[in-house]
Amino acid sequence: AQSVTQLDSQVPVFEEAPVELRCNYSSSVSVYLFWYVQYPNQGLQLLLKYLSGSTLVKGINGFEAEFNKSQTSFHLRKPSVHISDTAEYFCAVIRNSGNTPLVFGKGTRLSVIA
Amino acid sequence: EPEVTQTPSHQVTQMGQEVILRCVPISNHLYFYWYRQILGQKVEFLVSFYNNEISEKSEIFDDQFSVERPDGSNFTLKIRSTKLEDSAMYFCASSERRGGSYNEQFFGPGTRLTVL
Repeated sequence: AQSVTQLDSQVPVFEEAPVELRCNYSSSVSVYLFWYVQYPNQGLQLLLKYLSGSTLVKGINGFEAEFNKSQTSFHLRKPSVHISDTAEYFCAVIRNSGNTPLVFGKGTRLSVIA
Repeated sequence: EPEVTQTPSHQVTQMGQEVILRCVPISNHLYFYWYRQILGQKVEFLVSFYNNEISEKSEIFDDQFSVERPDGSNFTLKIRSTKLEDSAMYFCASSERRGGSYNEQFFGPGTRLTVL
């Protein structure tokens, strides 16, 4: 079975400051890793994913994440946040075998302060 | 751009009543999913559906739940006798069926179910 831990339930940060949202996972099988974003009253939107290859992956809206296999982490970063980045961010994993279910973390609410 | 749609956006029901949540997946997708998120908790997988049958389901998806693809476009989740603890946001998702080991799941905006 897979599990995902997002240690920070809320992260307040000032506009134009950098941010890191932490994600750790555990799994007995190989997984793919994802970050989803949920803006108020909207569905889940894929921000970025790690399937294989370079451990640093870049996504939409200037976000990036680094896969660290030894630490079983997939932290999300952005060097300079905007007010519009205020949202809920979910880390998720999936077994790398076909159309399998996503396993989500509890989410981190990023609040960007002007 | 094609998207997954869900209706209604908010459903209020009395405990013990039946509810049907509706989803219209992206038209060329063949795998369909339901997830739910109880307020303040993580998004949890309920069930996946392919080729007119359940492909995988979680422990949450007990006999009170059922899914159906009644026509070529809708995908529904039925809860036969709602309980207070069924109150949650329910998300539908769909993905293509292609070769390879990963197919992106596209999510709808969710239906908020409130059981009184």
